[in-house]
Amino acid sequence: KQEVTQIPAALSVPEGENLVLNCSFTDSAIYNLQWFRQDPGKGLTSLLLIQSSQREQTSGRLNASLDKSSGRSTLYIAASQPGDSATYLCAVNNAGNMLTFGGGTRLMVKP
Amino acid sequence: GAVVSQHPSWVICKSGTSVKIECRSLDFQATTMFWYRQFPKKSLMLMATSNEGSKATYEQGVEKDKFLINHASLTLSTLTVTSAHPEDSSFYICSARDGRRSQGDEQFFGPGTRLTVL
Repeated sequence: KQEVTQIPAALSVPEGENLVLNCSFTDSAIYNLQWFRQDPGKGLTSLLLIQSSQREQTSGRLNASLDKSSGRSTLYIAASQPGDSATYLCAVNNAGNMLTFGGGTRLMVKP
Repeated sequence: GAVVSQHPSWVICKSGTSVKIECRSLDFQATTMFWYRQFPKKSLMLMATSNEGSKATYEQGVEKDKFLINHASLTLSTLTVTSAHPEDSSFYICSARDGRRSQGDEQFFGPGTRLTVL
């Protein structure tokens, strides 16, 4: 059974810092991996989708990498802003298009 | 494109009543819809997967008679929480995918429905 772990569970940084969120998964036979953002009481906003054949994806200040063989993905946020404060979730898509979510990283960026 | 809506966004009901939550894909046809449940400060747990025109597949531990799922059309799936009790209070989120698209493996998520059972 796929298990997804996110470290750290919570992170507080001053504005402007570059930061890295980590996601690890136990079964490397994945279809793709997706990073989401969730604001309190809201739904999910898809940030980046990395197919299993890809190594990384970039969108603006966000960069996500995927190392399938080691079961790891990182989300890099450059020049963090208070508006980046949210919970970040990674989800792994195994066969059957079932997403397994990690526990999330709650990010607080202080002005 | 790829917008998914949910209705209602929040609902409060009395214990013992049934509540229906709708999930709609607004600008694409959803061959598959997924229902998730999220407890406060926890991650999402998949409840069931439904394919249009067929019965839903429930995850282990999810009572199919308690959580009725109907996927009657390519744009609408409903989740009915029957005889709701306070422990059913949660945030319910649906997602949808169009398996016929070239990137059909991506799921698009609705904004969620917060259910509070008194």
